[in-house]
Amino acid sequence: GEDVEQSLFLSVREGDSSVINCTYTDSSSTYLYWYKQEPGAGLQLLTYIFSNMDMKQDQRLTVLLNKKDKHLSLRIADTQTGDSAIYFCAETHQAGTALIFGKGTTLSVSS
Amino acid sequence: DTGVSQDPRHKITKRGQNVTFRCDPISEHNRLYWYRQTLGQGPEFLTYFQNEAQLEKSRLLSDRFSAERPKGSFSTLEIQRTEQGDSAMYLCASSLGYKTSGPNTGELFFGEGSRLTVL
Repeated sequence: GEDVEQSLFLSVREGDSSVINCTYTDSSSTYLYWYKQEPGAGLQLLTYIFSNMDMKQDQRLTVLLNKKDKHLSLRIADTQTGDSAIYFCAETHQAGTALIFGKGTTLSVSS
Repeated sequence: DTGVSQDPRHKITKRGQNVTFRCDPISEHNRLYWYRQTLGQGPEFLTYFQNEAQLEKSRLLSDRFSAERPKGSFSTLEIQRTEQGDSAMYLCASSLGYKTSGPNTGELFFGEGSRLTVL
């Protein structure tokens, strides 16, 4: 079945770049997302990328997609303590249908 | 606040009791989703609706679980004869099923969740 895998934990220093990686198994994945979850808050969409794109940049966020290897990454430039949260990778083959989420990567930013 | 709202935020119940959660989506969104999240896991899909029609159900949704969206607006998720394994955060999300212009990104807007503790 469909599966999304992520590393569970990442620790960086404030000001450094963070790179969170994700792999997925469904070759028909068309829409790929990064969601952020802060303690006590709901999931919030950070960014998304379509499968016909290799890269997407949005301010401090850069998403890279390698379709051949089914690998997605999220780079956060100049990481701040406020970026500490759990980051979820998610995918679907059709917009508006069920998203399949990874287990999440906990990002810890130290000052 | 025009976001997705869920009620109650926290429910503690004894094993064997029934519980019901309510979700009010963003008003113009015609799709509504239920997910379950346990500690250290990502959200697991349970079911989703387009308007009042339930379009997909996960095999995770046992016979004890039932979801409704009778008028295509708010939704309820009922769990009958609760078990300790049902303890989790139940997340509701909504989305536009379509857009009249621009690509449909499929973005889901999540509520803050309803936490269920079964003793």
